[in-house]
Amino acid sequence: RKEVEQDPGPFNVPEGATVAFNCTYSNSASQSFFWYRQDCRKEPKLLMSVYSSGNEDGRFTAQLNRASQYISLLIRDSKLSDSATYLCVVKGVIGGGSNYKLTFGKGTLLTVNP
Amino acid sequence: NAGVMQNPRHLVRRRGQEARLRCSPMKGHSHVYWYRQLPEEGLKFMVYLQKENIIDESGMPKERFSAEFPKEGPSILRIQQVVRGDSAAYFCASSPNRATEAFFGQGTRLTVV
Repeated sequence: RKEVEQDPGPFNVPEGATVAFNCTYSNSASQSFFWYRQDCRKEPKLLMSVYSSGNEDGRFTAQLNRASQYISLLIRDSKLSDSATYLCVVKGVIGGGSNYKLTFGKGTLLTVNP
Repeated sequence: NAGVMQNPRHLVRRRGQEARLRCSPMKGHSHVYWYRQLPEEGLKFMVYLQKENIIDESGMPKERFSAEFPKEGPSILRIQQVVRGDSAAYFCASSPNRATEAFFGQGTRLTVV
């Protein structure tokens, strides 16, 4: 099983649609979870952290299910500017437990069409 | 507070030359990660460093690649005797401590001709 696995995509949706991204991770000791977005030929940028209680930032909602080792991102009322690759990121313990490593999913490409 | 600074932004090397990529983390950040992204592919972890220490280099090719993060100065990713397959975008990220999110530099695009 891959360390971090995402929907392969790509997703093509019309403006205003709701789109959901799913992600699973294999390391049950993972500590922190994030969604990043990456525009074409640019660096990844943090979109939001993901908390066990779920969190919302405007049109974006992130959920974490530790028991199922599952993370999701929901985008409501999608805009043209939401077109990007969305990366699921897990921060897990390595070595003796005093250090962490960021592991990225392969990303899911979203294209929002007018 | 300046972001993560990488230089050069673009680097062209002939096969067999050495490539040196630099990363200055954000102020106060002592954790640095290097990732490689091949065209049309995802980010692949290479190495994780703290000041003067390599914590995890499980993603680094065994030969030709090395990384350091000295007490003073930027982190350096060094690729010796570059080959065409080394052509990629190399991203550096930094974080202030172990468990928080990381912030990325704009990357160095290496082209081997």
